[in-house]
Amino acid sequence: DSGVTQTPKHLITATGQRVTLRCSPRSGDLSVYWYQQSLDQGLQFLIQYYNGEERAKGNILERFSAQQFPDLHSELNLSSLELGDSALYFCASSAPGQGALNEQFFGPGTRLTVL
Amino acid sequence: AQSVTQLGSHVSVSEGALVLLRCNYSSSVPPYLFWYVQYPNQGLQLLLKYTSAATLVKGINGFEAEFKKSETSFHLTKPSAHMSDAAEYFCAVSSFGNEKLTFGTGTRLTIIP
Repeated sequence: DSGVTQTPKHLITATGQRVTLRCSPRSGDLSVYWYQQSLDQGLQFLIQYYNGEERAKGNILERFSAQQFPDLHSELNLSSLELGDSALYFCASSAPGQGALNEQFFGPGTRLTVL
Repeated sequence: AQSVTQLGSHVSVSEGALVLLRCNYSSSVPPYLFWYVQYPNQGLQLLLKYTSAATLVKGINGFEAEFKKSETSFHLTKPSAHMSDAAEYFCAVSSFGNEKLTFGTGTRLTIIP
């Protein structure tokens, strides 16, 4: 158990819908990262937040957005869903200080299926 | 831009044999390199990382990797495979000031009894 929790574990929805994925980082971690794992694209970095502020952006679609709240949990919002958005979405967190040297601890993921 | 290439999407070894998973990186700045393992229906777990200290890095579960700048490689090895090593392994790269992890395509390791 990494200490990072993600809900829900599974999500099945239809095209055109909107969903919200939730992540709670490890206690004390200020950084939250979102990654997408799909058969087509592999594991891709989407976005990073640090203490409530966006720090880095990757290959995140405009239909996707995220935020980190004052209690440091994070939500990833996916809208106008397409079949190709079906994937495993991971959240990771890391401790403050030392930046890229810090280990990222991954949650168990949310499996999104778009029908 | 940074990238990693993992040679061999599937590797099979016999129980007790040497495990060798290959990773080559490309980076215009000194890289930080990582190996993660993913067991079925689980998240990723860090095996080991290279952050410019010792070039031979020891990790958990008996794994180790050697950073070779001249070959731009960071191959993962384990002297004797165990059935519990069956999983998918990902090599990843980041760098100072760039915390996002860029992953390779993964290598699925199968252990033959």
